[in-house]
Amino acid sequence: GQNIDQPTEMTATEGAIVQINCTYQTSGFNGLFWYQQHAGEAPTFLSYNVLDGLEEKGRFSSFLSRSKGYSYLLLKELQMKDSASYLCAVEDSNYQLIWGAGTKLIIKP
Amino acid sequence: TAGITQAPTSQILAAGRSMTLRCTQDMRHNAMYWYRQDLGLGLRLIHYSNTAGTTGKGEVPDGYSVSRANTDDFPLTLASAVPSQTSVYFCASSDSRANTGELFFGEGSRLTVL
Repeated sequence: GQNIDQPTEMTATEGAIVQINCTYQTSGFNGLFWYQQHAGEAPTFLSYNVLDGLEEKGRFSSFLSRSKGYSYLLLKELQMKDSASYLCAVEDSNYQLIWGAGTKLIIKP
Repeated sequence: TAGITQAPTSQILAAGRSMTLRCTQDMRHNAMYWYRQDLGLGLRLIHYSNTAGTTGKGEVPDGYSVSRANTDDFPLTLASAVPSQTSVYFCASSDSRANTGELFFGEGSRLTVL
């Protein structure tokens, strides 16, 4: 079966750095997405990786290793507004998105 | 900028009743999707449409139907609601011609079936 694993919850301190991991087992691979979802709101797109390596976008970076079935989202200089759930999703060989359950990130002052 | 609009925002429904969740987008995206989101689970695809006039079944289609008469609208109908359909429903759209295939989500419809 297809599976996306990410930690259920993480806690970090304002101003610090946090890394949210995502491992996947899917039927084929056509790309990996990270979305941010604040409580009670819709998911919003953060990043897309299709090739191995690091994609940097401001305070957020996303890394992909296709051979290891592994990605991480790195958040730097954490702000209180970064408190949210972070969703990892993989596009399989049929171009269907398989979603992880999300990682709830709690930022403490 | 409206983007993608869902209605109603929330609804309480008696079991056995029918309900249509509305979804409209103004981005002229060709693809549209309906997901449900339940605590502890990832988003699960109910139905999708790659272009106006076509629809397809997702991971959890039973008890739901959709139509795509035009590019902008993609309503989701529950013919006879059951308590297990209590969930938050998200409509989304994407432009399949875009490099990233980014999904744009509506604000969600919270449905409670009693």
